[in-house]
Amino acid sequence: AQTVTQSQPEMSVQEAETVTLSCTYDTSENNYYLFWYKQPPSRQMILVIRQEAYKQQNATENRFSVNFQKAAKSFSLKISDSQLGDTAMYFCAFMKHLGNNDMRFGAGTRLTVKP
Amino acid sequence: EAQVTQNPRYLITVTGKKLTVTCSQNMNHEYMSWYRQDPGLGLRQIYYSMNVEVTDKGDVPEGYKVSRKEKRNFPLILESPSPNQTSLYFCASSSQGAGHETQYFGPGTRLLVL
Repeated sequence: AQTVTQSQPEMSVQEAETVTLSCTYDTSENNYYLFWYKQPPSRQMILVIRQEAYKQQNATENRFSVNFQKAAKSFSLKISDSQLGDTAMYFCAFMKHLGNNDMRFGAGTRLTVKP
Repeated sequence: EAQVTQNPRYLITVTGKKLTVTCSQNMNHEYMSWYRQDPGLGLRQIYYSMNVEVTDKGDVPEGYKVSRKEKRNFPLILESPSPNQTSLYFCASSSQGAGHETQYFGPGTRLLVL
């Protein structure tokens, strides 16, 4: 079974600084997808960024980028120029390429951006 | 606007009183799923449905039922709720075609069972 581990329960960063959230996963699959979701105080789940395992290039979405290390099974999220609105819970998630669309989540990292 | 809706958003009930949380999506997605979110555990899948009349258990199905009579709706049923089902519940949907890997989440339903 696939497992996703986020080893940082809480993190904080100063506004405009850069922060990196870590995520590791365990799988025997070769093709799969990885995601970062943001959950602000409103509790809604918002997709931040996704990565296909068969793509070597790291995904980027504006201020958000990932460092995908397939051999190490690591998928960290870098937030540049942090903004107060980035304060949220962040979940790393894994999904097999072929399957029942079951998504496995980590326990989450609570990020606080300080003014 | 493409969206997944859930009702109610907040619910307080008592042990043993049957309840239903509705979920509806307007994107013609084949795949729908229910998750529960608990502190320190992230989101865990309760049940999923690959299409109409096709449902299966996820990781934590005990105490829950689902049905998929129509493509757009996927209600979650708690026949006899217990306090350990107090949680935040999310419905999600995705397509089976291109972009299937991206799930769209509803706003969540916070349930308290006394």
